[in-house]
Amino acid sequence: GDSVTQMEGPVTLSEEAFLTINCTYTATGYPSLFWYVQYPGEGLQLLLKATKADDKGSNKGFEATYRKETTSFHLEKGSVQVSDSAVYFCALSDGNRDDKIIFGKGTRLHILP
Amino acid sequence: DAGVIQSPRHEVTEMGQEVTLRCKPISGHDYLFWYRQTMMRGLELLIYFNNNVPIDDSGMPEDRFSAKMPNASFSTLKIQPSEPRDSAVYFCASSGDRVGTYEQYFGPGTRLTVT
Repeated sequence: GDSVTQMEGPVTLSEEAFLTINCTYTATGYPSLFWYVQYPGEGLQLLLKATKADDKGSNKGFEATYRKETTSFHLEKGSVQVSDSAVYFCALSDGNRDDKIIFGKGTRLHILP
Repeated sequence: DAGVIQSPRHEVTEMGQEVTLRCKPISGHDYLFWYRQTMMRGLELLIYFNNNVPIDDSGMPEDRFSAKMPNASFSTLKIQPSEPRDSAVYFCASSGDRVGTYEQYFGPGTRLTVT
Protein backbone atom coordinates (compact mmCIF):
# COMPACT_ATOMS: atom_id res chain seq x y z
CA GLY A 1 0.00 0.00 0.00
CA ASP A 2 0.89 3.66 -0.13
CA SER A 3 3.33 4.88 2.52
CA VAL A 4 5.49 7.81 3.58
CA THR A 5 8.87 7.59 5.30
CA GLN A 6 10.48 10.62 6.86
CA MET A 7 13.60 11.11 8.90
CA GLU A 8 13.26 10.55 12.60
CA GLY A 9 13.75 13.38 14.99
CA PRO A 10 14.27 15.28 16.97
CA VAL A 11 16.31 17.58 14.78
CA THR A 12 18.09 20.35 16.67
CA LEU A 13 19.60 23.32 14.85
CA SER A 14 20.85 26.76 15.68
CA GLU A 15 18.98 29.80 14.43
CA GLU A 16 19.86 30.74 10.82
CA ALA A 17 21.06 27.22 10.02
CA PHE A 18 20.02 25.39 6.84
CA LEU A 19 17.28 22.82 7.27
CA THR A 20 16.59 19.62 5.38
CA ILE A 21 14.00 17.05 6.45
CA ASN A 22 14.01 14.02 4.20
CA CYS A 23 10.83 12.38 2.96
CA THR A 24 10.33 9.51 0.54
CA TYR A 25 7.10 7.90 -0.54
CA THR A 26 5.68 4.75 -2.07
CA ALA A 27 2.53 5.04 -4.14
CA THR A 28 0.82 3.54 -7.14
CA GLY A 29 -0.10 6.24 -9.58
CA TYR A 30 0.57 9.95 -9.20
CA PRO A 31 -0.10 11.24 -5.72
CA SER A 32 -0.29 14.78 -4.45
CA LEU A 33 2.37 15.49 -1.82
CA PHE A 34 2.13 17.68 1.27
CA TRP A 35 4.06 19.00 4.20
CA TYR A 36 1.99 19.75 7.28
CA VAL A 37 3.28 21.56 10.37
CA GLN A 38 2.03 21.24 13.95
CA TYR A 39 2.98 24.00 16.38
CA PRO A 40 2.79 23.21 20.10
CA GLY A 41 -0.78 22.85 21.32
CA GLU A 42 -2.31 23.22 17.88
CA GLY A 43 -3.71 21.06 15.09
CA LEU A 44 -1.89 20.25 11.90
CA GLN A 45 -1.89 22.90 9.23
CA LEU A 46 -0.87 22.67 5.61
CA LEU A 47 2.58 24.19 5.01
CA LEU A 48 2.99 23.49 1.30
CA LYS A 49 1.93 21.09 -1.42
CA ALA A 50 2.82 19.82 -4.91
CA THR A 51 0.50 17.99 -7.24
CA LYS A 52 2.75 16.69 -10.02
CA ALA A 53 6.33 15.78 -10.80
CA ASP A 54 8.87 18.64 -10.71
CA ASP A 55 6.40 20.98 -9.01
CA LYS A 56 7.91 23.02 -6.21
CA GLY A 57 5.76 23.91 -3.24
CA SER A 58 6.81 26.88 -1.13
CA ASN A 59 5.54 28.84 1.85
CA LYS A 60 7.07 30.87 4.70
CA GLY A 61 10.57 30.30 3.30
CA PHE A 62 10.13 26.52 3.17
CA GLU A 63 10.40 24.65 -0.13
CA ALA A 64 9.96 21.10 -1.35
CA THR A 65 10.23 19.69 -4.88
CA TYR A 66 8.23 16.69 -6.08
CA ARG A 67 10.86 14.28 -7.44
CA LYS A 68 9.21 11.36 -9.17
CA GLU A 69 12.49 9.71 -10.19
CA THR A 70 13.64 9.44 -6.57
CA THR A 71 10.11 9.33 -5.06
CA SER A 72 11.11 12.10 -2.69
CA PHE A 73 9.71 15.37 -1.34
CA HIS A 74 12.40 16.78 0.96
CA LEU A 75 11.61 19.89 2.98
CA GLU A 76 14.22 22.68 2.99
CA LYS A 77 14.65 26.13 4.46
CA GLY A 78 17.69 28.30 4.04
CA SER A 79 17.67 30.03 7.41
CA VAL A 80 15.54 28.70 10.25
CA GLN A 81 14.12 30.76 13.09
CA VAL A 82 13.20 29.86 16.65
CA SER A 83 9.54 30.21 15.62
CA ASP A 84 9.97 27.29 13.19
CA SER A 85 10.20 24.89 16.13
CA ALA A 86 7.37 22.43 15.53
CA VAL A 87 6.58 18.93 14.29
CA TYR A 88 6.64 18.48 10.51
CA PHE A 89 4.65 15.77 8.74
CA CYS A 90 5.20 14.62 5.19
CA ALA A 91 2.05 13.23 3.57
CA LEU A 92 0.52 12.02 0.34
CA SER A 93 -2.92 11.71 -1.16
CA ASP A 94 -3.57 9.19 -3.85
CA GLY A 95 -6.56 11.17 -5.01
CA ASN A 96 -8.08 8.12 -6.62
CA ARG A 97 -9.36 6.64 -3.41
CA ASP A 98 -11.38 9.16 -1.48
CA ASP A 99 -9.61 12.03 0.23
CA LYS A 100 -7.63 9.87 2.60
CA ILE A 101 -4.14 11.22 3.34
CA ILE A 102 -1.26 9.02 4.37
CA PHE A 103 0.90 10.79 6.95
CA GLY A 104 4.49 10.11 7.92
CA LYS A 105 5.35 9.76 11.60
CA GLY A 106 6.45 13.36 11.94
CA THR A 107 9.82 15.00 12.63
CA ARG A 108 10.19 17.23 15.67
CA LEU A 109 12.35 20.29 15.00
CA HIS A 110 14.02 22.34 17.76
CA ILE A 111 15.66 25.64 16.87
CA LEU A 112 18.06 27.08 19.41
CA PRO A 113 18.50 30.86 19.67
CA ASP B 1 -14.35 30.99 7.29
CA ALA B 2 -14.15 29.82 10.90
CA GLY B 3 -12.32 26.65 10.01
CA VAL B 4 -12.98 23.28 11.60
CA ILE B 5 -14.49 23.70 15.06
CA GLN B 6 -14.07 21.15 17.82
CA SER B 7 -15.53 21.04 21.30
CA PRO B 8 -14.67 20.77 24.04
CA ARG B 9 -11.01 21.81 23.80
CA HIS B 10 -10.18 19.96 26.99
CA GLU B 11 -12.02 17.11 28.69
CA VAL B 12 -11.11 15.44 31.96
CA THR B 13 -13.22 12.48 32.99
CA GLU B 14 -13.09 9.44 35.22
CA MET B 15 -12.65 5.93 33.96
CA GLY B 16 -15.95 4.35 33.01
CA GLN B 17 -17.66 7.59 32.05
CA GLU B 18 -19.03 8.34 28.60
CA VAL B 19 -17.19 10.96 26.58
CA THR B 20 -18.56 12.76 23.52
CA LEU B 21 -16.35 14.84 21.27
CA ARG B 22 -17.88 17.17 18.71
CA CYS B 23 -16.82 18.52 15.36
CA LYS B 24 -18.16 21.04 12.88
CA PRO B 25 -16.43 20.76 9.50
CA ILE B 26 -15.82 23.58 7.07
CA SER B 27 -19.00 24.41 5.20
CA GLY B 28 -19.13 22.72 1.81
CA HIS B 29 -16.58 20.03 2.62
CA ASP B 30 -17.87 16.52 2.01
CA TYR B 31 -15.17 14.50 3.78
CA LEU B 32 -14.67 14.37 7.53
CA PHE B 33 -11.89 12.56 9.38
CA TRP B 34 -11.29 11.69 13.03
CA TYR B 35 -7.69 11.21 14.22
CA ARG B 36 -6.08 10.38 17.53
CA GLN B 37 -2.58 11.56 18.49
CA THR B 38 -0.42 10.21 21.29
CA MET B 39 3.29 10.34 21.99
CA MET B 40 3.56 6.57 21.75
CA ARG B 41 1.52 5.92 18.60
CA GLY B 42 1.71 9.23 16.78
CA LEU B 43 -1.18 10.30 14.53
CA GLU B 44 -3.77 7.58 13.86
CA LEU B 45 -6.76 7.76 11.53
CA LEU B 46 -9.79 6.40 13.37
CA ILE B 47 -12.64 6.80 10.88
CA TYR B 48 -13.72 8.95 7.98
CA PHE B 49 -16.98 9.94 6.34
CA ASN B 50 -18.00 10.99 2.85
CA ASN B 51 -21.31 12.81 2.49
CA ASN B 52 -22.18 11.80 6.06
CA VAL B 53 -21.62 8.08 5.37
CA PRO B 54 -18.83 6.19 7.17
CA ILE B 55 -16.35 4.94 4.58
CA ASP B 56 -13.63 3.30 6.64
CA ASP B 57 -13.73 2.66 10.38
CA SER B 58 -10.91 0.15 10.48
CA GLY B 59 -8.89 2.46 12.69
CA MET B 60 -11.44 2.53 15.48
CA PRO B 61 -9.64 0.75 18.30
CA GLU B 62 -12.53 -1.03 20.00
CA ASP B 63 -16.28 -1.30 20.19
CA ARG B 64 -16.14 1.29 22.96
CA PHE B 65 -15.56 3.86 20.21
CA SER B 66 -18.35 5.02 17.91
CA ALA B 67 -18.75 7.93 15.50
CA LYS B 68 -21.73 9.49 13.81
CA MET B 69 -22.37 12.19 11.29
CA PRO B 70 -26.08 12.99 11.34
CA ASN B 71 -25.72 15.88 8.90
CA ALA B 72 -23.13 17.70 6.82
CA SER B 73 -22.26 20.16 9.56
CA PHE B 74 -21.86 17.98 12.62
CA SER B 75 -20.08 14.84 13.75
CA THR B 76 -19.50 13.16 17.10
CA LEU B 77 -16.97 10.69 18.42
CA LYS B 78 -18.15 8.82 21.48
CA ILE B 79 -16.19 6.67 23.89
CA GLN B 80 -18.23 4.51 26.26
CA PRO B 81 -16.92 3.45 28.71
CA SER B 82 -13.72 5.51 28.73
CA GLU B 83 -10.40 4.10 29.95
CA PRO B 84 -7.11 5.79 30.94
CA ARG B 85 -5.44 4.49 27.76
CA ASP B 86 -7.90 6.60 25.74
CA SER B 87 -6.11 9.73 26.95
CA ALA B 88 -4.91 11.52 23.83
CA VAL B 89 -5.54 14.52 21.62
CA TYR B 90 -8.38 13.88 19.18
CA PHE B 91 -8.45 15.84 15.95
CA CYS B 92 -11.20 16.32 13.44
CA ALA B 93 -10.35 17.31 9.86
CA SER B 94 -12.38 18.02 6.75
CA SER B 95 -11.70 18.24 3.05
CA GLY B 96 -13.61 18.91 -0.10
CA ASP B 97 -11.28 20.45 -2.60
CA ARG B 98 -12.63 19.18 -5.89
CA VAL B 99 -9.73 20.76 -7.78
CA GLY B 100 -7.70 17.73 -6.93
CA THR B 101 -5.20 18.32 -4.19
CA TYR B 102 -7.38 16.79 -1.47
CA GLU B 103 -5.74 18.67 1.36
CA GLN B 104 -7.26 18.32 4.80
CA TYR B 105 -8.03 21.12 7.23
CA PHE B 106 -7.59 20.27 10.89
CA GLY B 107 -9.40 21.53 13.93
CA PRO B 108 -7.53 22.58 17.09
CA GLY B 109 -8.13 19.23 18.75
CA THR B 110 -9.69 18.00 21.98
CA ARG B 111 -7.28 16.98 24.71
CA LEU B 112 -8.88 14.08 26.59
CA THR B 113 -7.61 12.95 29.97
CA VAL B 114 -9.17 9.86 31.54
CA THR B 115 -8.25 9.34 35.18
